[in-house]
Amino acid sequence: DFQMTQSPSSLSASVGDRVTITCQASQDISMSVNWYHQKPGKAPELLIYHASRLETGVPSTFSGSGSGTHFTFTISSLQPEHIGTYYCQHNDHFPFTFGPGTRIEIK
Amino acid sequence: QVQLVESGGGVVQPGRSLRLSCASSGFTFTNYALNWVRQAPGKGLEWVALISYDGTSKFYADSVKGRFTISKDNSKNTVFLEMNSLRADDTAVYYCARHKIMATLMSSFDSWGLGTLVTVSS
Repeated sequence: DFQMTQSPSSLSASVGDRVTITCQASQDISMSVNWYHQKPGKAPELLIYHASRLETGVPSTFSGSGSGTHFTFTISSLQPEHIGTYYCQHNDHFPFTFGPGTRIEIK
Repeated sequence: QVQLVESGGGVVQPGRSLRLSCASSGFTFTNYALNWVRQAPGKGLEWVALISYDGTSKFYADSVKGRFTISKDNSKNTVFLEMNSLRADDTAVYYCARHKIMATLMSSFDSWGLGTLVTVSS
């Protein structure tokens, strides 16, 4: 069965830190990966699509890279408003799958 | 602007049925595929179902296949999720989410509703 794994499952970092999350697919999915941010009690928000394309209106603090089976998501300078959970997701084939999420908190 | 508003959630007994609705506005409804995504309490996101922009294609997660049916009413700009044989593990907030790219099955989701809570409990 196809799987998306994500690491770490949680992290605590200081304001201004560079933060990186990785997402691994169990088979080649080209660049069909998206990244979402979900603040507590809110709906998810699209940040990155097609592995590296920044969604309209999303600050360049966020970036994504990767292809095939290995993908990374980076926050260049962590801010208090960045807390919450980040999910990778693929749209290469059905069923679409989300990664298990990475919870980010401020140290 | 794009708006998606879910409704129809509530408390339902195991084995019973429920129909969720997602009313859309701010975009041409027939140009975009729409999805249902759910989130169990304290858990991650799970994609549930998709209906294509023209309504001819429907896809489901294995966990709901044969029990849930996605449909749309173009005259009301509304997508539905008919949920039958509900189980306790169907308890979740159900979100409606729109494809970012027009007229395609494969896309990220750029607009989400606020969600509606379904609780399956006796």
